[in-house]
Amino acid sequence: QQQVKQSPQSLIVQKGGISIINCAYENTAFDYFPWYQQFPGKGPALLIAIRPDVSEKKEGRFTISFNKSAKQFSLHIMDSQPGDSATYFCAAKAGANNLFFGTGTRLTVIP
Amino acid sequence: GAVVSQHPSRVICKSGTSVKIECRSLDFQATTMFWYRQFPKQSLMLMATSNEGSKATYEQGVEKDKFLINHASLTLSTLTVTSAHPEDSSFYICSVRSGTDTQYFGPGTRLTVL
Repeated sequence: QQQVKQSPQSLIVQKGGISIINCAYENTAFDYFPWYQQFPGKGPALLIAIRPDVSEKKEGRFTISFNKSAKQFSLHIMDSQPGDSATYFCAAKAGANNLFFGTGTRLTVIP
Repeated sequence: GAVVSQHPSRVICKSGTSVKIECRSLDFQATTMFWYRQFPKQSLMLMATSNEGSKATYEQGVEKDKFLINHASLTLSTLTVTSAHPEDSSFYICSVRSGTDTQYFGPGTRLTVL
């Protein structure tokens, strides 16, 4: 059973546009929600993370929006650049337990 | 963030041989490290949690005798794939946890078993 559902599977965005990736979860015990960026042949790199006590967190061009009642969170990449082309994974965990990963979104930003 | 290294970055071996992959936490002491495997175009699958000084905790379906984990120090964990077969070919990634939440990943090791 997939603990964290991620969509879309792939996404193509024009340079300068906004990329939006969505994730949903069921376990209300989850209290930490990170996003990872992974380039081909590399390990995932932590991009940004949020806890459920805030509805939004912004770091540079990356923003997490969090809807606790809907049990959904999303990553917004503003002014998307070709260098942002990568696979993005959302994840969630409860307390000291392990991270559950989404299935990933392959983002392609075209010039 | 934490700096995590893995060695080797890629390895090709013959079927039946054993391969050891090292994971090092370079800038802090990690009592807990994690080992994941990732098949092409798929998500990360947790294999086991490596605890310093004690036995690793394996996820359901992961053979502990096949994937030997040793966490001998606070900065080093090793994964040994014993008697490797072509189906073990995958991308193996370790990670360390800083504090209670943040997890940093290594660059991964590409294993190809011929």
